[in-house]
Amino acid sequence: AQKITQTQPGMFVQEKEAVTLDCTYDTSDPSYGLFWYKQPSSGEMIFLIYQGSYDQQNATEGRYSLNFQKARKSANLVISASQLGDSAMYFCAMRALPNAGGTSYGKLTFGQGTILTVHP
Amino acid sequence: NAGVTQTPKFRILKIGQSMTLQCTQDMNHNYMYWYRQDPGMGLKLIYYSVGAGITDKGEVPNGYNVSRSTTEDFPLRLELAAPSQTSVYFCASTASVYNEQFFGPGTRLTVL
Repeated sequence: AQKITQTQPGMFVQEKEAVTLDCTYDTSDPSYGLFWYKQPSSGEMIFLIYQGSYDQQNATEGRYSLNFQKARKSANLVISASQLGDSAMYFCAMRALPNAGGTSYGKLTFGQGTILTVHP
Repeated sequence: NAGVTQTPKFRILKIGQSMTLQCTQDMNHNYMYWYRQDPGMGLKLIYYSVGAGITDKGEVPNGYNVSRSTTEDFPLRLELAAPSQTSVYFCASTASVYNEQFFGPGTRLTVL
């Protein structure tokens, strides 16, 4: 079974500053993928960034980067130069990846989310 | 390109009523999923499908049914609605287990 833990119910950051949103995970799967999604107040789910468990480098997408520490089972999201439009709920999620002899159907397990508020 | 569409956007049901939440994707994705999001919580998987004619239960399937007669459509059926099914329902799809899932806009359901 997989479990995602996001320990920060809410975070505040000043505009133009960087912020780190924490995510720890637990899984027995040898191969897995980690995702971050953004959910603004309008409700839609927006994909931000992906990290595979065997990727050698931390993933980056524009102002988003994923600080992946496999030994600590953490996959923190770093948002640089925060903008007012970054205010939203952020979800960390994971899924198992296929391995030799195994099956995977891409099912996502989500954390409870962190509400980020960006102050001007 | 519409992506994943869901209808209706909002619905209020009385206890014991039934309804079908519609989900359609135009990306020719084999994998489709239904999640529910309770207030202040993350998403939980209800049902999923790996292709037309193939469906399976997720984490919280009780009170729901699905079908997948075509690649494009993956309707979710609620039988005998209960207040515990008040939630926001998201449909998602992906081309493969290595890709991100694309989500629909969600359906907000209230059962009174």
